[in-house]
Amino acid sequence: QVQLVESGGGLVKPGGSLRLSCAASEFTFSDYYMSWIRQAPGKGLEWVSHISGGSSYINYADSVKGRFTISRDNAKNSLYLQMNSLRAEDTAVYYCARVSGDWLGAVPYYFDYWGQGTLVTVSS
Amino acid sequence: DIVMTQSPDSLAVSLGERATINCKSSQSVLYSSKNKNYLAWYQQKPGQPPKLLIYWASTRESGVPDRFSGSGSGTDFTLTISSLQAEDVAVYYCQQYYSTPFTFGPGTKLDIK
Repeated sequence: QVQLVESGGGLVKPGGSLRLSCAASEFTFSDYYMSWIRQAPGKGLEWVSHISGGSSYINYADSVKGRFTISRDNAKNSLYLQMNSLRAEDTAVYYCARVSGDWLGAVPYYFDYWGQGTLVTVSS
Repeated sequence: DIVMTQSPDSLAVSLGERATINCKSSQSVLYSSKNKNYLAWYQQKPGQPPKLLIYWASTRESGVPDRFSGSGSGTDFTLTISSLQAEDVAVYYCQQYYSTPFTFGPGTKLDIK
């Protein structure tokens, strides 16, 4: 059974940094796009970023572009999100999700597996 | 960016009755050359991550009960629960994957009447 386990969340001051990790198992990690999606308390879902299996293709939401960096280590089956210059509006549960794609893994489609999420709170 | 809207914001349906949730995209998510609608539906229960229900607008994910069905094309889509069960209480989201940024609808909260 596919497993995604996020870690690294916590309380950080505005302007601070945090690095989230997602440990993946029970599937061939390098074959899939992976994504970060966040959910502010009591709010809806917001796609943050995704990265292709070989890290060649990366996209970000405008709200985080220039501040967040997504990366992956296929040898460690791990996905990361480096978050800098954090703002109060970045407070959310951050989910790691596997992205189902075309047979080549070249085109990202929908999110077929989600982790339980890790809470990031940005507050002074 | 493609803006997704949903209606209603919330609804309450009696057990065993039909529940219908609508989703509209600001531009078509139909990829004509593949004849596929790049639209998914998710269910989120309190304290849990979202769960994929439907993709390609009408394809049920493995293990999802057949009382859940998706329909529509282009810009207008519907999620139908044919006979509401107690365990279906949740928030439901539609999402387009036609273009980046991938965007979600605001969600529809479904309760028991």
